[in-house]
Amino acid sequence: DAKTTQPPSMDCAEGRAANLPCNHSTISGNEYVYWYRQIHSQGPQYIIHGLKNNETNEMASLIITEDRKSSTLILPHATLRDTAVYYCIVITTRGGANSKLTFGKGITLSVRP
Amino acid sequence: GAGVSQTPSNKVTEKGKYVELRCDPISGHTALYWYRQSLGQGPEFLIYFQGTGAADDSGLPNDRFFAVRPEGSVSTLKIQRTERGDSAVYLCASSLTGGRWFFGPGTRLTVL
Repeated sequence: DAKTTQPPSMDCAEGRAANLPCNHSTISGNEYVYWYRQIHSQGPQYIIHGLKNNETNEMASLIITEDRKSSTLILPHATLRDTAVYYCIVITTRGGANSKLTFGKGITLSVRP
Repeated sequence: GAGVSQTPSNKVTEKGKYVELRCDPISGHTALYWYRQSLGQGPEFLIYFQGTGAADDSGLPNDRFFAVRPEGSVSTLKIQRTERGDSAVYLCASSLTGGRWFFGPGTRLTVL
């Protein structure tokens, strides 16, 4: 699976949009971009994933560049409960040995009041 | 429906002892994963089951670690002769043929 690069940390004000960047310059054509987050003392939680089109769900939006070498996770109205470590992961979703998630260190988002 | 559950939530043991950690995946999920997470690090892959068989155990650090999933649902991670370096949070996840992975809350293992 391709590797990802994320800055170690960022912060934003409560109620504002949080834009979390991720670089995945070696992504392959059949690899998806997944975002998970981990709130302190909990297991990782799925947020969103996409292949090449932008995606939106009730939690966030995922913007993938046209060349697919980078993406941005957008939390439109950050709350204090969004303070967490956010992991950007690229992976094929075929079954078999390639289907495990490989986590980096992620980006720590701190939402301030 | 219920999510992935793990028991115990906390386990304290002494160096050299044997421990078992249990994972109950989401009903019907064929794939089950074990991860280990040390403080300040992302989860580290240990082993992956597809049904009853271990499809990939490349992340197990040594032969003191072993995992089973005899009926294709519940899984047990077994650690023999525990060492202080085994202290970590052990996470379990399940998935239905990939696509989305659902994680449990983890078991915090402390080896004294």
